[in-house]
This record gives sequence, C-alpha cells and structure tokens, in this order.
Amino acid sequence: DGGITQSPKYLFRKEGQNVTLSCEQNLNHDAMYWYRQDPGQGLRLIYYSQIVNDFQKGDIAEGYSVSREKKESFPLTVTSAQKNPTAFYLCASSDPLTARGHRDTEAFFGQGTRLTVV
Amino acid sequence: RKEVEQDPGPFNVPEGATVAFNCTYSNSASQSFFWYRQDCRKEPKLLMSVYSSGNEDGRFTAQLNRASQYISLLIRDSKLSDSATYLCVVTLPYGGSQGNLIFGKGTKLSVKP
Repeated sequence: DGGITQSPKYLFRKEGQNVTLSCEQNLNHDAMYWYRQDPGQGLRLIYYSQIVNDFQKGDIAEGYSVSREKKESFPLTVTSAQKNPTAFYLCASSDPLTARGHRDTEAFFGQGTRLTVV
Repeated sequence: RKEVEQDPGPFNVPEGATVAFNCTYSNSASQSFFWYRQDCRKEPKLLMSVYSSGNEDGRFTAQLNRASQYISLLIRDSKLSDSATYLCVVTLPYGGSQGNLIFGKGTKLSVKP
C-alpha cells in the first residue's frame, strides 16, 4: 500500500542534542512538508520541498534543517539551536499541479512524531 | 490578512444538530480546496474535497464559492464521533513562494450527548 511513514513515533531529546526525524513516502509525490503543532494550536510550516534537491524555509525554520536527496525521503533535523522543540511534528506529501498538467492531490500525512526534551 | 481563515470555535453542539463551518481564503490563485479532520493527538486526514458544484458525502456537504473566496462544510445529524478539529486547506500554484499547501488553524467541534 502507498503511504507516508514517519519514525519514530516518540522521541526524547536531551538538552543540546541534535535529533533527526524520518519521513518516507512511496506515493511518488513531488512535494513534501514538515509542520510543527503545539497543544491546542494549528499547523505551522517549518520547511517544504517541491522537488528533489530543493527546499525552502517555512514560517518557523530557525533551529531546524532538512535535506531532500531522494524524492521519497525528507528528513528533519531538530538542532540544539531550537530552544523549545517539544511538539508534535507532522510530515506531509502532495502532488501539486505542475506544468505537466497533473491535478492537485490532497496532502497525505504521516502519523507524526512526538518530540519531548528531557 | 491570513491566507486561510476559519471560524475560531469551539463549537459545542448536541447530538443530532446541524453545524456549519466557514472558511475564507485570500489568494485568488488558489487552485484546490479540501476539508480535513484531525482527532486529538493524531494526524489530519482528508474528509472531503470541495468543488464549485458542491460535494456531498452522506451527512457532510461541502461548498465552494470562488467569487467570494469562501468554503463551507455542513454536518447534518451530528454524531458523538464527529467531535474533532476541522481544517480548511487550499492549494496554491506550483512553484509559489509559500509552499503549495495552506492550512487554516482549524475549528474544534464537540458533540455532546
């Protein structure tokens, strides 16, 4: 079955430590996204990538880094520069309307990673 | 002005009630429109796509008014299991500077017995 997988489901980070959250999709989607969600709040965009080897900062990119070396993978690193990283992190993918004439698809989400600083 | 705005909620309704959610978007170039449902501590999941001709799926009806840049979701005969946060989502043209997906902040619905 096609889908998008995030791992791990729960992650604990020590102060000053970098951690990497995994996101893999086998939907052949061009676009991938990382969001952060705090309790009772909406989704905030961290980074997005519309094509392999290219990515752009979202609204809250400080303290985070990403790479997009393969179409199916978009890992997110939470660096020690992120002072308040405890949150629920969601990865999504979609197939935007392109010059090829493909229709927009809805976004598919992974199950999320709950990161806690200890 | 935010790209996508939704009723702030929360909406607290009794079982069997009809509830309507509204959403406005600011970018006239927006291409596709969706309603998502997010349960507590879970990922958002697609509820339904929204078309200019309207879209109905059982108790759920979605409407799009491009001229007014307005999207709605109507839930009839609400059930306890409808309790969740409902997110309005629009897509922007490929290659834009803001990414393709724009989410509203969501409206929380609580259906009470």
